Amino acid sequence: SAVISQKPSRDICQRGTSLTIQCQVDSQVTMMFWYRQQPGQSLTLIATANQGSEATYESGFVIDKFPISRPNLTFSTLTVSNMSPEDSSIYLCSVEPWGAETQYFGPGTRLLVL
Amino acid sequence: AQRVTQPEKLLSVFKGAPVELKCNYSYSGSPELFWYVQYSRQRLQLLLRHISRESIKGFTADLNKGETSFHLKKPFAQEEDSAMYYCALGGTSYGKLTFGQGTILTVHP
Repeated sequence: SAVISQKPSRDICQRGTSLTIQCQVDSQVTMMFWYRQQPGQSLTLIATANQGSEATYESGFVIDKFPISRPNLTFSTLTVSNMSPEDSSIYLCSVEPWGAETQYFGPGTRLLVL
Repeated sequence: AQRVTQPEKLLSVFKGAPVELKCNYSYSGSPELFWYVQYSRQRLQLLLRHISRESIKGFTADLNKGETSFHLKKPFAQEEDSAMYYCALGGTSYGKLTFGQGTILTVHP
């Protein structure tokens, strides 16, 4: 398994600003993922962040809006840029440790954009 | 395209009753199916996966490729089973998971 922490746990932001969410894992992992969970909705994959390469974005998500960094095997950041109220969601980080064949999730970051 | 359908948003049962949470999927490749659970004020966690064919907390799920289903079952529900349950579909080379809408299970005393 893996222990994952996220910062901040929650935030309230003004529209037009940006927020960077951090994800830290207690062991080295190759694959890290960022999901969004909008109010009353299920989880939707934003992008896959692998160390040493550009993030791979899912349809409907673009790098300009959700830039991702993956500087090493235990850390990643997701930035929500130029926020609008529609970005109010829970953002979750997950990892798939080598050989695990499953994903472990962080506690999530609850974002409210006014 | 990958799709997961959980037809029941809410499911209520009484303690000791059997429970079945339905999950159907659509995927042209070789599917990997998972059930995740989120208890109140806790993070999302893996409950079980089809490849392991295991029983966790009394829950089982069998992959039925003919019916493209992966229903979650427990013969005798307990109050502590009350939670949000998500069915998820994997199987791509880069580990993407597609989640269903989730089912809120409430077990009444």
